[in-house]
Amino acid sequence: AQSVTQLDSQVPVFEEAPVELRCNYSSSVSVYLFWYVQYPNQGLQLLLKYLSGSTLVKGINGFEAEFNKSQTSFHLRKPSVHISDTAEYFCAVSDMDSSYKLIFGSGTRLLVRP
Amino acid sequence: NAGVTQTPKFRVLKTGQSMTLLCAQDMNHEYMYWYRQDPGMGLRLIHYSVGEGTTAKGEVPDGYNVSRLKKQNFLLGLESAAPSQTSVYFCASSSHREGQFFGPGTRLTVL
Repeated sequence: AQSVTQLDSQVPVFEEAPVELRCNYSSSVSVYLFWYVQYPNQGLQLLLKYLSGSTLVKGINGFEAEFNKSQTSFHLRKPSVHISDTAEYFCAVSDMDSSYKLIFGSGTRLLVRP
Repeated sequence: NAGVTQTPKFRVLKTGQSMTLLCAQDMNHEYMYWYRQDPGMGLRLIHYSVGEGTTAKGEVPDGYNVSRLKKQNFLLGLESAAPSQTSVYFCASSSHREGQFFGPGTRLTVL
């Protein structure tokens, strides 16, 4: 069965510094990959998704992610973070043959300090 | 478009009481989902539906029932609430390959 690992439960970073949030998935079969953001007391919002094509995917709020099939990874990056990026970030994966079902990682809390 | 809406936003129940959570979407999506979110455990799928009139069990279905009588609505029922069902519940909807769109959540406390 597919699984998603987000190794870092919390990532503290100073404002304007770069950040990388790590995500690895278990299966090497064809997958779709997603990153979601959850601000306090809100639902999840889609940041970006990889379906096919270019392995570098750009999303909202200046975030991007790179799909690496050989390493089964989909790490999220931002070159310069803001205080407002403080939130929980979830990586999710679905198999192409059951694309409606997402498997979520346990989340990474990004804490941006001034 | 309102997207995905959930009713109610907050609820406190006593053990053994029942309630229904309502989810509505206006995006004409085929698929709908109910998740629960607990600290440190991410999101866990309770039940889902791939179309009107169909439902299926997810990862943690025990103690919950669902119905999808209309394409735009997905109801989650708790017949006899237990303290272990204290959680934040999220509804989501999707179409093929789009990713899921989430509602704002319902915070449920069972005393």
